[in-house]
Amino acid sequence: KQEVTQIPAALSVPEGENLVLNCSFTDSAIYNLQWFRQDPGKGLTSLLLIQSSQREQTSGRLNASLDKSSGRSTLYIAASQPGDSATYLCAVRPQAAGNKLTFGGGTRVLVKP
Amino acid sequence: GAVVSQHPSRVICKSGTSVKIECRSLDFQATTMFWYRQFPKQSLMLMATSNEGSKATYEQGVEKDKFLINHASLTLSTLTVTSAHPEDSSFYICSASSASYAGQYFGPGTRLTVT
Repeated sequence: KQEVTQIPAALSVPEGENLVLNCSFTDSAIYNLQWFRQDPGKGLTSLLLIQSSQREQTSGRLNASLDKSSGRSTLYIAASQPGDSATYLCAVRPQAAGNKLTFGGGTRVLVKP
Repeated sequence: GAVVSQHPSRVICKSGTSVKIECRSLDFQATTMFWYRQFPKQSLMLMATSNEGSKATYEQGVEKDKFLINHASLTLSTLTVTSAHPEDSSFYICSASSASYAGQYFGPGTRLTVT
């Protein structure tokens, strides 16, 4: 059974620092991995999707890497801003489970001005 | 990007009544829709997967007679919480996938409070 873990559970940084969020998964047989952002009381906003054949994806200040063999993905957010404060979730789509996602517990990020 | 809407965004109902939540894909055809439940400060828990025109597949531990899911068209899925009780109070989120996108698009969520 696939298990997804996100460490740390919470993170507080001063504005301008780079953020590094970690996601690990137990079964490397994945189809893709998706990073989401969730603001309090809101739904999920997709940030980046990495296919299993890819090593990284970039969008603006965001960069996500994927090391499938070691079961890890890292989301980097450069030059953090207070508006980056949110919960970040990673989710894995296993190869064998259709289109179902397995979510990590999330990392709550606070960027202090 | 693709948009998924949910209605209502918030609902308060009395214990014992039923509540229907709608999930719509606004600008694409959703081959599959998913329903999640999220408790405060916790991650999402998948409740069920539905494909248009067929019965939903429920995750282990989810009561299918309590959480009725209908996926009547490629743009609409509904979740009905029957005989709701206070323990059903939660944040319900739907998502949708299409043939042209490998990920899922998520709706804004519905906050259900049962009094």
